[in-house]
Amino acid sequence: GAGVSQSPSNKVTEKGKDVELRCDPISGHTALYWYRQSLGQGLEFLIYFQGNSAPDKSGLPSDRFSAERTGGSVSTLTIQRTQQEDSAVYLCASSFKGDSNQPQHFGDGTRLSIL
Amino acid sequence: SQQGEEDPQALSIQEGENATMNCSYKTSINNLQWYRQNSGRGLVHLILIRSNEREKHSGRLRVTLDTSKKSSSLLITASRAADTASYFCATGGGGSNYKLTFGKGTLLTVNP
Repeated sequence: GAGVSQSPSNKVTEKGKDVELRCDPISGHTALYWYRQSLGQGLEFLIYFQGNSAPDKSGLPSDRFSAERTGGSVSTLTIQRTQQEDSAVYLCASSFKGDSNQPQHFGDGTRLSIL
Repeated sequence: SQQGEEDPQALSIQEGENATMNCSYKTSINNLQWYRQNSGRGLVHLILIRSNEREKHSGRLRVTLDTSKKSSSLLITASRAADTASYFCATGGGGSNYKLTFGKGTLLTVNP
C-alpha cells in the first residue's frame, strides 16, 4: 500500500515569502505528526493531529508557523514570511492511532532552503 | 528538548563486523523505539521495546533496555554496506501518551 507522501520534495524560496508543505498520510491512520530536522540533528516535534481533536501545537517555533488537517487526512504546514533559520527538512509521519506505543511511518520530507 | 542521546555520534566499520549503538534518556518511559534514516529519506521504524522488556530480536537486530540505567543499545550483527544510515532512538511516555522524543542519531558507515 502507499506510504506517507510529502510534496514538494524540495523547495527553494526567497526570505520573506510564504511556503506551504503538504503531507498525505497512510489511509486509515488517525494520528499525524510534523517534525523539523536541521542538518545533522534529531527531530524537533512541531505539531500533532489526532482525528477531530484539537491539535497539539506546542512545538511550533513561532506564530509564523501554522498547520491544518482537512477531513482528517491531508495536512498542510504553512510558514509565513520565511527566515533563513527556517531552512531544514520538514518531515511528516502518521500512525494508526495517537499512541506512543505505535510505530510512526514517515514520508521522505520536504527539503526547504531559504535564500 | 531532546531526551534520547545516541552514542557514538558516528561509527565506521567493515562489512561483516557487528555495530553497537547506545541511547541514554532522562525521564521514565513506556517504550523505546529505534529508527533508521537513509540519506535524503524519511525514518523507517526498526523495532520497539517496552519498558517491561529487557531484550528483543528482529533478524540481525538485537535491542536491549536497562531502565535502571535509563539506557538502550542496538546491535546490528554481520553488517552490510546497505546498513549504512543514521540510526535514531525515540522514547515514548515521559508525560505524553502520543509523542516520541528523538535523539540526534548515530551515523553508521559500513565499508565494503
